[in-house]
Amino acid sequence: DAMVIQNPRYQVTQFGKPVTLSCSQTLNHNVMYWYQQKSSQAPKLLFHYYDKDFNNEADTPDNFQSRRPNTSFCFLDIRSPGLGDAAMYLCATSRVKRPREQYFGPGTRLTVT
Amino acid sequence: AQSVTQLGSHVSVSEGALVLLRCNYSSSVPPYLFWYVQYPNQGLQLLLKYTSAATLVKGINGFEAEFKKSETSFHLTKPSAHMSDAAEYFCAVSDPENTGNQFYFGTGTSLTVIP
Repeated sequence: DAMVIQNPRYQVTQFGKPVTLSCSQTLNHNVMYWYQQKSSQAPKLLFHYYDKDFNNEADTPDNFQSRRPNTSFCFLDIRSPGLGDAAMYLCATSRVKRPREQYFGPGTRLTVT
Repeated sequence: AQSVTQLGSHVSVSEGALVLLRCNYSSSVPPYLFWYVQYPNQGLQLLLKYTSAATLVKGINGFEAEFKKSETSFHLTKPSAHMSDAAEYFCAVSDPENTGNQFYFGTGTSLTVIP
C-alpha cells in the first residue's frame, strides 16, 4: 500500500543535542509538510516543500531546518532541541492538484531530557 | 483568511448512540473541507472531504458529513457510536483560490464512547 513512513516512531534526545527525524513516502506526491503537534492541540505547520521549493512558516524557529534530497524523502533537523520542542512531529504529503488533501505518517514522538 | 471552529473540545456519547461533532468555517468562498481522525500516538487519518460536489459526503468507518453553505457548517455524524470511534477529531479547511498549500485546522474534539 502507498503510504507515508516516519522513523523513528519514538526519539529521545538530550537538551541541545542535534536530532534528525525522517519521512519517506511511496505516494509520489510533490508536496511534503512537517507539522509539530503538542498535547491536546492541533498540528502546527512548520514548513513545506513544493517539489524542491522550500516554504518556511513565518513563526517557525530558526532552530528547525529541513532537507528534501529527492521526491520520496524529507528530513527535519532540530539543531539545538530545547525542552519546549518535545512534541509529536508529523510528516504529511499531498498532490499539487486541488483539493490537496493531506496524507499523514504515524508521527515521531520526540522527548527532550 | 480561512478558519474553522470546532464547538465542544470534548464530546461523550454512549455506545450505539448518535455521534455529532460540530465544525463551522469562515471563508469568503466555498472552501474545501476535511475531517481527520487521530488515535493516540498516531498520525491523522483522512475520514472524508468536501470538494463542492455532493453536499452530503460519506467517509470511512460509517462517518458522513453535510456541507451547509447557509450555516457555514460541516458537521460530522455517525448513526451508531462504536468503542473504536474514541479518538481526537479535527476539522480542516483550505481555500480553493489560495495559491499556497495551507490547511487550517480546528482545535479538535476528543470523542469518548461510554460502554
